[in-house]
Amino acid sequence: GQQVMQIPQYQHVQEGEDFTTYCNSSTTLSNIQWYKQRPGGHPVFLIQLVKSGEVKKQKRLTFQFGEAKKNSSLHITATQTTDVGTYFCAGSRLYNQAGTALIFGKGTTLSVSS
Amino acid sequence: DTGVSQDPRHKITKRGQNVTFRCDPISEHNRLYWYRQTLGQGPEFLTYFQNEAQLEKSRLLSDRFSAERPKGSFSTLEIQRTEQGDSAMYLCASSTGTLLTDTQYFGPGTRLTVL
Repeated sequence: GQQVMQIPQYQHVQEGEDFTTYCNSSTTLSNIQWYKQRPGGHPVFLIQLVKSGEVKKQKRLTFQFGEAKKNSSLHITATQTTDVGTYFCAGSRLYNQAGTALIFGKGTTLSVSS
Repeated sequence: DTGVSQDPRHKITKRGQNVTFRCDPISEHNRLYWYRQTLGQGPEFLTYFQNEAQLEKSRLLSDRFSAERPKGSFSTLEIQRTEQGDSAMYLCASSTGTLLTDTQYFGPGTRLTVL
């Protein structure tokens, strides 16, 4: 079945350093979504990428969707302690042409020390 | 608060008991999803509703699990004869949109502990 893999599983950085997490799918995706989950919290939607080669920015966060729509990355510039959490990518899989189920990676847990 | 709500937030039960969880989606959202998340893993898809119709169920959803969305608004997820392996966070999400831009918004989840 379709799988979404994320690396690294854990990343610790000093505040101010950059951080990148990578996401790879075994199949071509219709779109990819990124979520952030704080410890004890629930996944919170960050962004959705739809087009091949798409790049989107949200302040210090840069999201990329690969040309083949099978991989994606999230890059955080100059991390802050508020960036702590687990970042999930999720690929969409069409069900019955009427909806989508998200196939999540295992996530990358980011810790930041000041 | 107009986000997705779930009730209860925590449930502790003994093995063999039945439990039921409720999800209230964002009011204008016609799609509702249930996911399960265990420690160190991403959410895993369980089932999906378009309005009141249950359109897809994952292989993870054994015969002990049943979900309903009778009026196309709130949904319930029931687990019968709970097992310790059912212990997890059960997440509900809702959405509206096209097939290619189906952003899902998650509720706070119900954490189930089976003793």
